[in-house]
Amino acid sequence: AQTVTQSQPEMSVQEAETVTLSCTYDTSESDYYLFWYKQPPSRQMILVIRQEAYKQQNATENRFSVNFQKAAKSFSLKISDSQLGDAAMYFCAYRFTDKLIFGTGTRLQVFP
Amino acid sequence: NAGVTQTPKFQVLKTGQSMTLQCAQDMNHNSMYWYRQDPGMGLRLIYYSASEGTTDKGEVPNGYNVSRLNKREFSLRLESAAPSQTSVYFCASSVISGTGPYEQYFGPGTRLTVT
Repeated sequence: AQTVTQSQPEMSVQEAETVTLSCTYDTSESDYYLFWYKQPPSRQMILVIRQEAYKQQNATENRFSVNFQKAAKSFSLKISDSQLGDAAMYFCAYRFTDKLIFGTGTRLQVFP
Repeated sequence: NAGVTQTPKFQVLKTGQSMTLQCAQDMNHNSMYWYRQDPGMGLRLIYYSASEGTTDKGEVPNGYNVSRLNKREFSLRLESAAPSQTSVYFCASSVISGTGPYEQYFGPGTRLTVT
């Protein structure tokens, strides 16, 4: 069975600094997709970034980038130049066929 | 373009009562999903509908039923609510199902408390 593990329940970062959130997953499949979702206090789930497993190049979206290590089954999210608005829960998710499997989340605090 | 809408936003039920959570999307998506979010558990899939006329169980379907009323609407019914069903419920949709980069768009959630 596919599983997604986020081992950091909470992280904190100073404004303008860089922070990395960890995610590992377990699968026997070779073709799948990985996502990071942000959930601010409003509860709205917002897609931050996605990565196709068959692509070796790491995805980047503005200040957000991933470090995708397929052999190690690792998919970390790096947030550069952190802003107060980045404070939220972050969920890593794995998609194969119809199912999107989420990790338990990391709460990110951003200090001024 | 409202995206995914859910009603109600909040609900309190007594044990044994029934209710239906409503979800609608205006993006002409084929696939729709229901999740529950509990503290420390992430989001878990309850049921999904890959296309109009089909529904399938997810990870935690017990105690729930769903109806894909048409392409736009996907409802979740609790026939006899239990305190263990206290949770935040999210509806989501995507253009199609299957392995692919297809983003799931989420509704704002319904906070349900069962006393």
